[in-house]
Amino acid sequence: ETGVTQTPRHLVMGMTNKKSLKCEQHLGHNAMYWYKQSAKKPLELMFVYNFKEQTENNSVPSRFSPECPNSSHLFLHLHTLQPEDSALYLCASSQVPSGGEFLAATQYFGPGTRLTVL
Amino acid sequence: SQQGEEDPQALSIQEGENATMNCSYKTSINNLQWYRQNSGRGLVHLILIRSNEREKHSGRLRVTLDTSKKSSSLLITASRAADTASYFCLHPGGGGSNYKLTFGKGTLLTVNP
Repeated sequence: ETGVTQTPRHLVMGMTNKKSLKCEQHLGHNAMYWYKQSAKKPLELMFVYNFKEQTENNSVPSRFSPECPNSSHLFLHLHTLQPEDSALYLCASSQVPSGGEFLAATQYFGPGTRLTVL
Repeated sequence: SQQGEEDPQALSIQEGENATMNCSYKTSINNLQWYRQNSGRGLVHLILIRSNEREKHSGRLRVTLDTSKKSSSLLITASRAADTASYFCLHPGGGGSNYKLTFGKGTLLTVNP
């Protein structure tokens, strides 16, 4: 138990569906992350939120839409996905120091959501 | 691509042996981290090493950093079957962004009983 929870753990959706992934951290951290891990590619950073402000969007397609309503919750809204979007989606959080050095902070990961797009 | 490489991609050893994994990166760093992932699960942090450190230990783990070669290594001593997992390094992806966190491709370690 890392203090980061993700729901659902498994999700199967059609290409025309709209669904949302949820992440919650109970660690009081100020930064949250979405990563994608697929069989064909290594872990990819998708989005970073620091103090609820999105600070990074790694050229992610618009069919993925993040939302961070507060520093403890992070959502990933999905719509009109493609089969190649099937992957493990991991959420993480960290306490980034005041200097903003993200790599100075340990990231705590949730167990992931295994997404299958049919 | 700013993505570094880990080698080997896969490593199979017997219990009790040591395992060494390497990570290379392409930009200057202040910090580098190593993580472990059990099959299909979230990652667990192992060690953070700063650019002014050459070596760091944590239990059976030893991490080294050579900033002149832009490389780091993770050594697991006296391996156990429970060490079977994928191991990743995390470093900046460059491009002048502090946020471009980049994981290496990882080393899949199998420790045979």
